[in-house]
Amino acid sequence: DGGITQSPKYLFRKEGQNVTLSCEQNLNHDAMYWYRQDPGQGLRLIYYSQIVNDFQKGDIAEGYSVSREKKESFPLTVTSAQKNPTAFYLCASSTLTSGGLNIQYFGAGTRLSVL
Amino acid sequence: GDSVTQMEGPVTLSEEAFLTINCTYTATGYPSLFWYVQYPGEGLQLLLKATKADDKGSNKGFEATYRKETTSFHLEKGSVQVSDSAVYFCALSEIGKSTFGDGTTLTVKP
Repeated sequence: DGGITQSPKYLFRKEGQNVTLSCEQNLNHDAMYWYRQDPGQGLRLIYYSQIVNDFQKGDIAEGYSVSREKKESFPLTVTSAQKNPTAFYLCASSTLTSGGLNIQYFGAGTRLSVL
Repeated sequence: GDSVTQMEGPVTLSEEAFLTINCTYTATGYPSLFWYVQYPGEGLQLLLKATKADDKGSNKGFEATYRKETTSFHLEKGSVQVSDSAVYFCALSEIGKSTFGDGTTLTVKP
């Protein structure tokens, strides 16, 4: 089945630790995205990538880093510089169309908590 | 920049009631419009979409019409079910990026 796989489902971070969230897609989509969702709030864009080896900052990139070495993979690292990392993290992918029909397909999410 | 404003929730309805969730948008170009749904502990999934003015998107009894004159894309359903309880997000997309509203939590009681 085609889709987006995020792992792990739950993750705990210790003080000063970097943690990496995995996102893999087999939909052959060019674009991939990372969002942060806090309780009762909408989605805020962290980073996005439209092509391998290139990515752009979203609205809340500070304290996060990404890489896009393969089309299928877009891992997110939450660094120790992110002082409030507790949130639900969602990865998404989409095709890129000139008309803007940018349907996003989401993974099931990773819930990150601080120990 | 682009923005999406949804009616504030939460919304609580009895089963078989009529649902409306308001959504208005601001965009520089001619975006596509979407409604996504999120069930507890899961990611978002597309509910319906519309790509141009006066288009009506529909799925599972839900409908929304792209109104360019009022920059709106309100979600409606004639008779909600308990299984419709979820968070609903209005969104727009222009080339390469999407902008989401804050989400509206719907609870349907039997």
